[in-house]
Amino acid sequence: GNSVTQMEGPVTLSEEAFLTINCTYTATGYPSLFWYVQYPGEGLQLLLKATKADDKGSNKGFEATYRKETTSFHLEKGSVQVSDSAVYFCAREADSGGGADGLTFGKGTHLIIQP
Amino acid sequence: DTAVSQTPKYLVTQMGNDKSIKCEQNLGHDTMYWYKQDSKKFLKIMFSYNNKELIINETVPNRFSPKSPDKAHLNLHINSLELGDSAVYFCASSQGNWWTQAQLNTEAFFGQGTRLTVV
Repeated sequence: GNSVTQMEGPVTLSEEAFLTINCTYTATGYPSLFWYVQYPGEGLQLLLKATKADDKGSNKGFEATYRKETTSFHLEKGSVQVSDSAVYFCAREADSGGGADGLTFGKGTHLIIQP
Repeated sequence: DTAVSQTPKYLVTQMGNDKSIKCEQNLGHDTMYWYKQDSKKFLKIMFSYNNKELIINETVPNRFSPKSPDKAHLNLHINSLELGDSAVYFCASSQGNWWTQAQLNTEAFFGQGTRLTVV
């Protein structure tokens, strides 16, 4: 079935370190891909997305590139801040593409940034 | 102006009780969802409604009954609550439409979540 696999956490980094959170997916087609962020005690917010192969999504210094060859959508940031501490979810849309089938999420990666 | 709002934010109740969680979206979206997030933060879709019509019911016990009075609202009623129902429940909406295969903006907008604790 369709799935999303992301690296297990928690990931602990020092402020200004480089961040990579790996995400791979399975699909029969080319689903839109997303990264969502959940800050403590809050709901999920869309961080960035990519709708087709080779697209790069970016927001707030975070980037992810849709790589169909490796079926990956790794999240990167060049210099993390304490305020980036949150749980990050990689997600894909259903193969139907119609949207009503919802999103499939990875298990989430808890990121902890230390001053 | 909150795009997707759900109430209550916290709900503590005893086993066997019946409770409801309400959700409203003011984004004009056609599709609404309920997701469950367990204690390990794993998110799984429970239901999907498109224009008040049930699209997805993902092996959820029939103690859970969603109700959509109109396309802006999707409420979740839970009968005979069990300890294992304790989780955070998220409502979400998207423009996604069941009837078209066009490339749509399928990103989901989430509510703040309802933390349900069954004791």
